Amino acid sequence: AQSVTQPDIHITVSEGASLELRCNYSYGATPYLFWYVQSPGQGLQLLLKYFSGDTLVQGIKGFEAEFKRSQSSFNLRKPSVHWSDAAEYFCAVGVTGGFKTIFGAGTRLFVKA
Amino acid sequence: DVKVTQSSRYLVKRTGEKVFLECVQDMDHENMFWYRQDPGLGLRLIYFSYDVKMKEKGDIPEGYSVSREKKERFSLILESASTNQTSMYLCASSHQPGQGRRASGRADHEQYFGPGTRLTVT
Repeated sequence: AQSVTQPDIHITVSEGASLELRCNYSYGATPYLFWYVQSPGQGLQLLLKYFSGDTLVQGIKGFEAEFKRSQSSFNLRKPSVHWSDAAEYFCAVGVTGGFKTIFGAGTRLFVKA
Repeated sequence: DVKVTQSSRYLVKRTGEKVFLECVQDMDHENMFWYRQDPGLGLRLIYFSYDVKMKEKGDIPEGYSVSREKKERFSLILESASTNQTSMYLCASSHQPGQGRRASGRADHEQYFGPGTRLTVT
């Protein structure tokens, strides 16, 4: 069965430090992969998505993610975190042939001054 | 600016009450979804609809029903609210090229989310 694992429930980084959020998926076919962000009190917003082609994907707000098929991973990165990046981040897999998107449990990012 | 709106941000209901959660999107999207979000569990799909009057069960449909009488509106109904339905409810929509249930066959469409309704059942 398809699944998405985000191993870190929460992460704390200092402002200006680099960030990497981990995501592993289990899916038999070519995955459609997404990262969404949820700011406090808000719905989810798409950061970036991967369908095919270049395995390094650029998104909004300075985020990028790299698809590694051999590791079944799609980790999210940012070189320098800002206090406004504090939020919850969700990795997701789109299921081909249907309409479902499977979400991970989320990683909450805390940014300290 | 695309928008998905939900009728209430916060709602408090009593056990056994019938509860309606409304969602409206202004993007002419074919697909609409209802999720519930609980800490440590992420988003779980309750129901989705790919066309007016069409609906399909998601992963956790028990205790819920839905209605889609117009393309822009998707309602979630709790027939008899229970305390274990206390949660954050998120509505989303997405575009689907083509016609019909399997026209696209792809799941690469970004979902647009509403701000959520935090429902407390006491």
